[in-house]
Order: sequence, then structure tokens, then C-alpha cells
Amino acid sequence: GAGVSQSPRYKVTKRGQDVALRCDPISGHVSLYWYRQALGQGPEFLTYFNYEAQQDKSGLPNDRFSAERPEGSISTLTIQRTEQRDSAMYRCASSLGGYTDTQYFGPGTRLTVL
Amino acid sequence: AQSVSQHNHHVILSEAASLELGCNYSYGGTVNLFWYVQYPGQHLQLLLKYFSGDPLVKGIKGFEAEFIKSKFSFNLRKPSVQWSDTAEYFCAVNPYTGNQFYFGTGTSLTVIP
Repeated sequence: GAGVSQSPRYKVTKRGQDVALRCDPISGHVSLYWYRQALGQGPEFLTYFNYEAQQDKSGLPNDRFSAERPEGSISTLTIQRTEQRDSAMYRCASSLGGYTDTQYFGPGTRLTVL
Repeated sequence: AQSVSQHNHHVILSEAASLELGCNYSYGGTVNLFWYVQYPGQHLQLLLKYFSGDPLVKGIKGFEAEFIKSKFSFNLRKPSVQWSDTAEYFCAVNPYTGNQFYFGTGTSLTVIP
């Protein structure tokens, strides 16, 4: 079956613009995670959804970052008023159940803010 | 704050050499532990995981890891590496109380044929 997909794969934007990054998890997967990965670093946890409920957003760096998963499937990570420091790879992962289940990662979206 | 340390940033080995990658974490409570791998051009994928029980866990492709609670360590090992093991390896920790996953900075492994 299809894996986790993310779009766009690459996004270049100008400072101050808003961006929306999309994650399409594996069908039937309850849990969805967003991570940010800077160059030379490991993935950094941003937020976690259980179905449509955002159960943990402790990793979102500030209020310019938000995420939603309105129907418990596709999720969107939105960054408002982008800054150069937001440039990174944004990764999405999904799992069948909770944290004990294997997370399947998508290919990521490479965001560059000029 | 929780942290995960991977002390080896770049490792270069010849084929058939043995591998050990270090991972230490700072968290006093119960944790779940993971090793992920990212092959060139591919997604992050799970190598192995530890939740409880036997501290020596076996994963895919001949990898294993040992959880030593007293040392807060979860080192990854493979007796004999292959060229196809060339990849980036990430250790991750999930505190038992939450859904957050904390990753190390990764170790880049290059295996020379």
C-alpha cells in the first residue's frame, strides 16, 4: 500500500509569507506526528495528533506555527509570517496506534525561506 | 529538558568490520528507545525498538542494540557491516509519560567496500 506522502516536496518562499505543508498519512493510521529537522540535526518533535485531536503541541516553537487534522486523516502544518530560521526539512510520520507502534515517515518537505 | 546524545558524528568502516554506535539519553523515568536509519535518498525507517524485557533487542538487517539502564545508554551494534549499511543512523527516546519523541543528532556511517 501507499506510504506517507507529503506535499510539496520543496517549497521556496519569501520572508513574511505564509506556507502550508500537507501530510497524507497511511490509511487507517490513528497517530500523526510532525517533526522539523535542521541540517545536521535529528528530527525535532513539533506536534502529535490522535485522530483529529491535537493531543500534544508542546514542540511548536511559537504561535506562528499551527497544525490541524480536521477529519483525522490529512494534516496541514501552517507557518505564518515565515522567517529565515524556519528553513528546514519538515517531516510527517504516522502510526497505527499510539507511541508503541512503528512510526512510518514521509519523504519530508524542504522549506527554504529567502 | 530531555536530550539524546550520539557521540559519533561520522564513522567510516571497511566491509566486514564490526560496528558500535553510541547513544546516551538524559531522562530519569521509564523510556522507550528506538534506532532509526535513513538510507541515501530514502525515508527514515525503524531499525529496532525497546520497550521492556530483555535489554538486548534484535532488529532488521542483523542489527542489535543493548539497553543499559544504569548508563542511560542504548548502543547499536552489528558484527559485520556491509556496503549497503551506508546511511544515517538516529537514536530516539520516548518518555513513557508522553507522546514526544526526542532524536539524537545522528551518525553518518560510510562503509567502504
